[in-house]
Amino acid sequence: DAEITQSPRHKITETGRQVTLACHQTWNHNNMFWYRQDLGHGLRLIHYSYGVQDTNKGEVSDGYSVSRSNTEDLPLTLESAASSQTSVYFCASSEEVGVSYEQYFGPGTRLTVT
Amino acid sequence: AQSVAQPEDQVNVAEGNPLTVKCTYSVSGNPYLFWYVQYPNRGLQFLLKYITGDNLVKGSYGFEAEFNKSQTSFHLKKPSALVSDSALYFCAVRDYGQNFVFGPGTRLSVLP
Repeated sequence: DAEITQSPRHKITETGRQVTLACHQTWNHNNMFWYRQDLGHGLRLIHYSYGVQDTNKGEVSDGYSVSRSNTEDLPLTLESAASSQTSVYFCASSEEVGVSYEQYFGPGTRLTVT
Repeated sequence: AQSVAQPEDQVNVAEGNPLTVKCTYSVSGNPYLFWYVQYPNRGLQFLLKYITGDNLVKGSYGFEAEFNKSQTSFHLKKPSALVSDSALYFCAVRDYGQNFVFGPGTRLSVLP
């Protein structure tokens, strides 16, 4: 079955370190998204991609970057981790086919920055 | 810009009773609306969507939602709640391109 996976599931890092969160989908979807989930804020969009070599900033992109070198993967990099980036991160993918627009989510990565 | 409101942080309902989780939206153009559920330590799972057609949309696990254009609402409903329905529920609206805007979430507790 097609799926979307994230790794690691949990990560503790120190302030100032570079961190990369992996996202891999086997749906063959063109669209991929990164969100962060914080109490009281719901899900906020960090970056998104509509295809290989395409990346775009979302609502809360400062301090984050992404790259899309193939259809399956959209890694999220925190350039210099800050305590404010402690959060749960979700990757999602979608494909606009007919009336199918829904996004499919990975299990999440809980990141703690100390 | 599109926006979604979920006016209740928490909804409590007794098992076997009907449940409603409220969602209102603000969009320019035709709304594409979605409901997702999140169980503890899990990702979001798609429940149902309204794109066009019938105002009553049926989805997974016995859930349904009613689209009301005049009230700009898309409330999630279930005729008989189960304890296992206890979770966090998110309403979302399609924004520009393929992007979604999510509401803040409503925590549903079904009491035995």
